[in-house]
Amino acid sequence: GQQLNQSPQSMFIQEGEDVSMNCTSSSIFNTWLWYKQDPGEGPVLLIALYKAGELTSNGRLTAQFGITRKDSFLNISASIPSDVGIYFCAGQGAGGTSYGKLTFGQGTILTVHP
Amino acid sequence: NAGVTQTPKFRVLKTGQSMTLLCAQDMNHEYMYWYRQDPGMGLRLIHYSVGEGTTAKGEVPDGYNVSRLKKQNFLLGLESAAPSQTSVYFCASSYSDRGEPQHFGDGTRLSIL
Repeated sequence: GQQLNQSPQSMFIQEGEDVSMNCTSSSIFNTWLWYKQDPGEGPVLLIALYKAGELTSNGRLTAQFGITRKDSFLNISASIPSDVGIYFCAGQGAGGTSYGKLTFGQGTILTVHP
Repeated sequence: NAGVTQTPKFRVLKTGQSMTLLCAQDMNHEYMYWYRQDPGMGLRLIHYSVGEGTTAKGEVPDGYNVSRLKKQNFLLGLESAAPSQTSVYFCASSYSDRGEPQHFGDGTRLSIL
């Protein structure tokens, strides 16, 4: 089946630093999604990417859909303590046979020291 | 502003017991999904449904059954719980499969002793 490799697995940074994480796949996806999960809660959508090469920002977050459609990255600028959590990438295939199913990366655990 | 609601939030079972996890969404979404989350493995799809009365297997369906009798509800059943099914279970829903993001509930933490 499809697999996503997300890196790094964990990051320990100081408040104010920038963060970068990425996902690579052996298969092509039509949509890339980035989610954040806080302790005891479900994943919450941060950014959705729909076109190869697309670069999208959401406040301090920026994500890009790789031109090969097999990778994506997420950058967080000027990190703050509330950025702590687990970040997941997810790829979604085309409609029809895939039925919108998501394939998730393993997650990046982010810790921000004040 | 409920979105996706999962019940119960926590449960402890003994090996061999059965139980049902309930997922309810109030967004009139057609598609619903059940995932399990284990450390270092992200979320893995157990079963999904593309509409009322339909269900299909996901990546890790063994040991689970599902039903979608009403559009807003998606039930996940464990007929004979095993320790390997100790996990956090998440339900999600989406309007369509055309690039629509999935919306998640807050999860059910299930421990099998």
